[in-house]
Amino acid sequence: SQKIEQNSEALNIQEGKTATLTCNYTNYSPAYLQWYRQDPGRGPVFLLLIRENEKEKRKERLKVTFDTTLKQSLFHITASQPADSATYLCALEARGSQGNLIFGKGTKLSVKP
Amino acid sequence: GAVVSQHPSRVICKSGTSVKIECRSLDFQATTMFWYRQFPKQSLMLMATSNEGSKATYEQGVEKDKFLINHASLTLSTLTVTSAHPEDSSFYICSASGTVNEKLFFGSGTQLSVL
Repeated sequence: SQKIEQNSEALNIQEGKTATLTCNYTNYSPAYLQWYRQDPGRGPVFLLLIRENEKEKRKERLKVTFDTTLKQSLFHITASQPADSATYLCALEARGSQGNLIFGKGTKLSVKP
Repeated sequence: GAVVSQHPSRVICKSGTSVKIECRSLDFQATTMFWYRQFPKQSLMLMATSNEGSKATYEQGVEKDKFLINHASLTLSTLTVTSAHPEDSSFYICSASGTVNEKLFFGSGTQLSVL
């Protein structure tokens, strides 16, 4: 069955450093992969979408890569700030779905001042 | 950006009562809405997919008679947890997609606590 894994449950880094989060998937070849941010007690908020034919996508301090050979996506936050502290979820579209997404468990990022 | 409004944000109820959660797309027509459940430190788990004007499609293991979903219009879907029990306590989140967007817009979630 399709499986999506975010290896680190938690990641602690110092302000100003680059945070790198990993997302791996198996038994599937998604057309695109997405990253969301979720704050405690809130619904996820869309950040970036990257398609299978795109190697890299950027948005301000965010960068996402997509390696379909490794079946892996990396999510980077450069010049991290305490306000970036949140749980970050990767998601891919379920095979044969109506746009339904399968989510990873998320990585809780804590940026210390 | 598109806005999805979910109400209520928090509800505490007694065991055996029914709870209705509303999900509205405020500035776009949502042809499809999804209902997720999330337990602490766990991922979002899809419960059901609803399309306007048709019956919802439930995921395996989700009781359709317990979690009633109505998607009567392109801007409103409701989830009713019938005869709620403590094990139904969870964070319920709705999301919606428009006709062309692949990304989902999520509501702010409803924390249900059943005593």
